[in-house]
Amino acid sequence: GQQLNQSPQSMFIQEGEDVSMNCTSSSIFNTWLWYKQDPGEGPVLLIALYKAGELTSNGRLTAQFGITRKDSFLNISASIPSDVGIYFCAGQLGNTGTASKLTFGTGTRLQVTL
Amino acid sequence: DGGITQSPKYLFRKEGQNVTLSCEQNLNHDAMYWYRQDPGQGLRLIYYSQIVNDFQKGDIAEGYSVSREKKESFPLTVTSAQKNPTAFYLCASSFHSPYGYTFGSGTRLTVV
Repeated sequence: GQQLNQSPQSMFIQEGEDVSMNCTSSSIFNTWLWYKQDPGEGPVLLIALYKAGELTSNGRLTAQFGITRKDSFLNISASIPSDVGIYFCAGQLGNTGTASKLTFGTGTRLQVTL
Repeated sequence: DGGITQSPKYLFRKEGQNVTLSCEQNLNHDAMYWYRQDPGQGLRLIYYSQIVNDFQKGDIAEGYSVSREKKESFPLTVTSAQKNPTAFYLCASSFHSPYGYTFGSGTRLTVV
């Protein structure tokens, strides 16, 4: 099955630095979502985007829905140690049937050093 | 509180044995999903169900089986036909809506 391309695959940053990651697709989506997975746990929804060009914030996190509907970006400002984890993007085509099934990205592993 | 519960958190299985992983949700979600995650890897879809008494194969269904007899429950059986079953298994559920999935906390299966 299709997986969305996320980059970078992994990153090591120092506490206090800003982080940027992106997700690209060969096909369009009508909803983009970003999840974070802590070690040994299930992913948790961070941000949902519903409109092309939309920019949405959740605390230190900001995400954008690309205008082509084929990409999305996530930024984390002033990183802290608890930001460690794997970040997944996900695209959704529609609301019903198989169109509501999510397509996940390959993940970006973030490690923060003090 | 509403949520999705996976049990057990850790499971050990001898080679050649079948084992069943539990997933229960009280969110009144219509759809449920099973994913497999290998170390350092992404999520791969095993099976999904959009309605009671119906389910479809995902990308890696071979060696697995599921049932959906109740809206709240979607158990996954890892059979002896699955050649490399050691992995982290995640269950998720959702409405048929653009609001994403709610995930359980996972079951780590180890074959000994």
